[in-house]
Amino acid sequence: DIQLTQSPSSLPASVGDRVTLTCQASQDINSHLNWYQQKPGQAPALLIYGASVLETGVPSRFTGGGSGTFFTLTIASLQVEDFGTYFCQQFHDVPYTFGRGTDLKI
Amino acid sequence: QVRLHQWGTGLLKPSETLSLTCGVYGSSLRGSYWTWIRQSPEKGLEWIGESNESGNRKYNPSLKTRVTISLDTSSDQFSLRLYSVTGADTAVYFCARGFYDFGTGEFYFDSWGQGTLVTVAA
Repeated sequence: DIQLTQSPSSLPASVGDRVTLTCQASQDINSHLNWYQQKPGQAPALLIYGASVLETGVPSRFTGGGSGTFFTLTIASLQVEDFGTYFCQQFHDVPYTFGRGTDLKI
Repeated sequence: QVRLHQWGTGLLKPSETLSLTCGVYGSSLRGSYWTWIRQSPEKGLEWIGESNESGNRKYNPSLKTRVTISLDTSSDQFSLRLYSVTGADTAVYFCARGFYDFGTGEFYFDSWGQGTLVTVAA
């Protein structure tokens, strides 16, 4: 199975901050990586697919980058609604796997 | 816009069979990969498997011997059955739509059910 390692596991931040979350794959997965945001008691919601393509309706302050084994998710200026847990997920090979998440908190 | 709503038994005893159903609204089952994912503190988010309307199924090897995902195209529903459950199967279970863009090769889960907490206890 392809392992995805996210860092940091927890990130304290403030409204207006610029933050970058990372996701490292255990093998080359091209650009076959998605990002999701999850809030307590809710299902994950798709933010970015194909490493860098913004899902419809996602604000432009979110940017995804990377390819191969190293990927980033950058939020340009944090808003209150951005706090939650962020997961990366690979679709390069079955079984599809997820990282353990970065908990973005105030 | 596709909406998913799921239901099923939330409390099971060891060795019983987990059974969940997911209704699809705003879309037919054609053209997508209907997926089950679970989440627990121990394992995080874990992909269980998928099926499409052609009957092509893929399962996580770690669960393959105990899981069945089936589609009912007449009622736009799909279901999960997980046999011989143990405490390790305690998790929140989500249904989701896997969308494959044949033009770009991208694949992602763009619609999710609300989640069902399934607890396995004697």
